[in-house]
Amino acid sequence: AQTVTQSQPEMSVQEAETVTLSCTYDTSESDYYLFWYKQPPSRQMILVIRQEAYKQQNATENRFSVNFQKAAKSFSLKISDSQLGDAAMYFCAYRQGGSEKLVFGKGTKLTVNP
Amino acid sequence: KAGVTQTPRYLIKTRGQQVTLSCSPISGHRSVSWYQQTPGQGLQFLFEYFSETQRNKGNFPGRFSGRQFSNSRSEMNVSTLELGDSALYLCASSLDFQGNNEQFFGPGTRLTVL
Repeated sequence: AQTVTQSQPEMSVQEAETVTLSCTYDTSESDYYLFWYKQPPSRQMILVIRQEAYKQQNATENRFSVNFQKAAKSFSLKISDSQLGDAAMYFCAYRQGGSEKLVFGKGTKLTVNP
Repeated sequence: KAGVTQTPRYLIKTRGQQVTLSCSPISGHRSVSWYQQTPGQGLQFLFEYFSETQRNKGNFPGRFSGRQFSNSRSEMNVSTLELGDSALYLCASSLDFQGNNEQFFGPGTRLTVL
C-alpha cells in the first residue's frame, strides 16, 4: 500500500521569508501524481500544486514550487515570500494513475509570523 | 461556476443512529470521492464513484456505504453511529478519473456523535 509521510507536524516562518515543507512517499507504481493541498482554518481544502511522476521538471505555481526527487521518493514544497494568508495546514498527497483515491500525509501546520 | 456543495454542514447525532450526507459536485463533474478527516487518523479515503459505479473503497466497516445518482450527486450513509465516527466528512469532485484532472473539495460536513 502506498504511504505518505510528512515529518514536520508544525513549521513557522517570518513574513516574506522562504519555508520548505517535507514529504516522502512510498510506492512501487510508475504512474502516479503528487499534490500539495492547503487547508486554512475552517475553510475548504484547495490544491496548491501538483506534479506528474513522469515529468522530470519540478512544478512551479507563482510563489510555490516543489523539489521532486523521484529516486528518493521525496516531494518537498517551497513557499517563497511567505504571506500571512499562507498560514494553514498543508497536506502532501499521492494519487495512483487511473484512480481518484488520494493518500494523504498527516499534514504540516504552517504559521506565518508578521 | 458553483463549487462542490455538501449538506448539511453540521450534524449532531447520538450513538446508534444513522446519518446520510450529501454531496453535489461541480456541474459536469462525474467523479466523486469521499474522505473522513479526524485529528487522530488524519484524512482517510472512504469511496470513489464514477457514473454511478463505486470504483474504489477504503478500509472502513460495512456501516459506511455510499451511492451516486445519475446526476452525479452522491450520498454517503453511516449506520449504527459510534463515537469514533465524529469527524469532518469531505467530498471531492473531478471531471473523471482519467489523467491529471484536478479534484475540488467541498466545505465538508462536520458530524458529531454524542
